[in-house]
Amino acid sequence: QVQLVQSGAEVKKPGASVKVSCNVSGHPLSELSMHWVRQAPGKGLEWMGNFDLEEDQRVYAQRFEGRLSMTEAPSANTAYLELRRLRSEDTAVYYCATGEFVPGYYMDVWGKGTTVIV
Amino acid sequence: QSALTQPASVSGSPGQSITISCTGTSSDVGSYDYVSWYQVLPGKAPQLLIYDVSTRPSGISSRFSGSKSGNTASLTISGLLPEDEADYYCTSYTTTNTHVFGIGTKVTVL
Repeated sequence: QVQLVQSGAEVKKPGASVKVSCNVSGHPLSELSMHWVRQAPGKGLEWMGNFDLEEDQRVYAQRFEGRLSMTEAPSANTAYLELRRLRSEDTAVYYCATGEFVPGYYMDVWGKGTTVIV
Repeated sequence: QSALTQPASVSGSPGQSITISCTGTSSDVGSYDYVSWYQVLPGKAPQLLIYDVSTRPSGISSRFSGSKSGNTASLTISGLLPEDEADYYCTSYTTTNTHVFGIGTKVTVL
């Protein structure tokens, strides 16, 4: 059973960077399509990017191009999201999510979320 | 990539059926059957309700069903229950290999 454990809350100043981790248990990270989704206070869900297994590449939402990096540490079975040049609008709960029993386009396993306050 | 269009709110009485629409474009909903729906309860992580337009993951009630026609997908909740009160989001794969969520719909059980 796949479980995702995310790092703790962060408080950052505008212009700084934040790095959120997502530790995977129950399955090799290399076989999962890991997505990152965020939800700002009072706002909707926003897809940020994922590692597309079929295309074997990281795909980022256009609005985050240049500010967002998704990386993996296979030895630690951990995925990371780094967002740079933070703005107040980046205040949100950040989720990692993946598909365990569904195709990689979908997310049936979610972390509990990491609150980032800018 | 613009967010998919959903009604801001939908309401119904217990036992009734409601339908939430999700309208995209030929670059997302209209191009693929990779449409899914998520339920978000306050303070909780989203839960997958429907994928591949109309497939329910194991453990999801048959009261939830999905469909698609052209650029518009729909989620129907039958036999509405008080615990169905939540926010619902559709999402679709796109022609640029990205994913896009809908703006979300608040469901109220009267």
